[in-house]
Amino acid sequence: GAVVSQHPSWVICKSGTSVKIECRSLDFQATTMFWYRQFPKQSLMLMATSNEGSKATYEQGVEKDKFLINHASLTLSTLTVTSAHPEDSSFYICSASGLLKDTQYFGPGTRLTVL
Amino acid sequence: AQSVTQLGSHVSVSEGALVLLRCNYSSSVPPYLFWYVQYPNQGLQLLLKYTTGATLVKGINGFEAEFKKSETSFHLTKPSAHMSDAAEYFCAVSPEDDYKLSFGAGTTVTVRA
Repeated sequence: GAVVSQHPSWVICKSGTSVKIECRSLDFQATTMFWYRQFPKQSLMLMATSNEGSKATYEQGVEKDKFLINHASLTLSTLTVTSAHPEDSSFYICSASGLLKDTQYFGPGTRLTVL
Repeated sequence: AQSVTQLGSHVSVSEGALVLLRCNYSSSVPPYLFWYVQYPNQGLQLLLKYTTGATLVKGINGFEAEFKKSETSFHLTKPSAHMSDAAEYFCAVSPEDDYKLSFGAGTTVTVRA
C-alpha cells in the first residue's frame, strides 16, 4: 500500500518551454502533497506544500509563478515548470500524506533536463 | 527553524559488520524524526520514524534508531550489514504541527564483500 507514482520519469525540453509533472497517489487519498527538488549528490529541498482544493504554500525563495502547483483531487497533484531554463534542470520529487499526516510517501522522481 | 546534520557523507562497512549512521538535529522543541533510504533510481522509502512513546524505534530491514533528547540525536543502526543495504540514507525532521520535512545531506553506504 501507499504507492505514489510520478509521470514522466524523465523529460528533456527546450529552454523557454513549459513542462508538467504529475504526481498520483495510487491506493490512498492524499490530503497533502509536497514537492521537492534534489540536486545531484545533495539533499531534498522542499519547494511547496499543497492541500487538495487549496492554493499551494511555497517555501521562501521558490518562485510561485515559475513553479505552478495544482492539487485538484485527492489523488493528483501537478507541478508545471513554466518557461524552463537550464538552471531549472533537476530531479523533482513529490510526496503525499493521507490519514497519517506525519508520514509522507514518496514518488520515484522526475528528472528534468532543460537544453 | 530546524536543521539536520548527518555526520559522514560516505560510510563503508564490511558485510556482516555494524552499520551506524549519525544524525543530529537542532530544534526549539523535539520534532518528529525520520530515516529514509533511497536506492538508485528509486524514490525514498521510509525506514522508521519517531513521533512519541518509546525512544528506541525499530524499522524495516533490521534497522533501528534511538531518540536521545539530551543529545538531540537520532542515530540509525543495523547489527549486521547486507550487500542490499548499499544505498543513500537520509535523516529528516518535521515540526509536530505542519509535517514539513527538513532533510540532512544524506549518507551513502557501501558494503564490502
